Amino acid sequence: AQSVSQHNHHVILSEAASLELGCNYSYGGTVNLFWYVQYPGQHLQLLLKYFSGDPLVKGIKGFEAEFIKSKFSFNLRKPSVQWSDTAEYFCAVNGISYGGSQGNLIFGKGTKLSVKP
Amino acid sequence: KAGVTQTPRYLIKTRGQQVTLSCSPISGHRSVSWYQQTPGQGLQFLFEYFSETQRNKGNFPGRFSGRQFSNSRSEMNVSTLELGDSALYLCASGSKSAQYFGPGTRLTVL
Repeated sequence: AQSVSQHNHHVILSEAASLELGCNYSYGGTVNLFWYVQYPGQHLQLLLKYFSGDPLVKGIKGFEAEFIKSKFSFNLRKPSVQWSDTAEYFCAVNGISYGGSQGNLIFGKGTKLSVKP
Repeated sequence: KAGVTQTPRYLIKTRGQQVTLSCSPISGHRSVSWYQQTPGQGLQFLFEYFSETQRNKGNFPGRFSGRQFSNSRSEMNVSTLELGDSALYLCASGSKSAQYFGPGTRLTVL
């Protein structure tokens, strides 16, 4: 079965530290890739997405992600985190070539990020 | 534009009962998807509707069903509730570029 793996369950960083959250997926065909964020008490929000083209995509709030097809990875990065980045981050894949449709996202289990002020 | 709205926000039911949750998508969106979020299983896809037709379905028992109306509003129904159905149920409204999520309905089954 298709799956998405997020390597870290909980990451704790100090403000101004750099962030990299790992995401690997198991699809071999064409995929659309997403990172969503869920701030405490709020609903899921789209951070960034990759459909095609430049494998380095920039999202909101200074986040970026790099798609590496050979590694089936789509890691999320931010050069300098802030306390307000404390949230849970979800990687998601839409495997169009496997019969998925645009509304059928497969999510990773999420990574909780805690940023210490 | 108004976002995705879900009603009710909280529900408490007992085992064996049934429940209906409602979702109003972003204006102009014809795709509505439903997800179940639990601490143990994370976010799991339930089903997707597009123009009143179920386009895709996740691996959930037949007790979980849904429908979409001509105005794109969607409902999902869970019959014969079990304790394990306690979860946050999320609705997502879709365009070709992304899915936009509502605040969810927190269902507690006692």
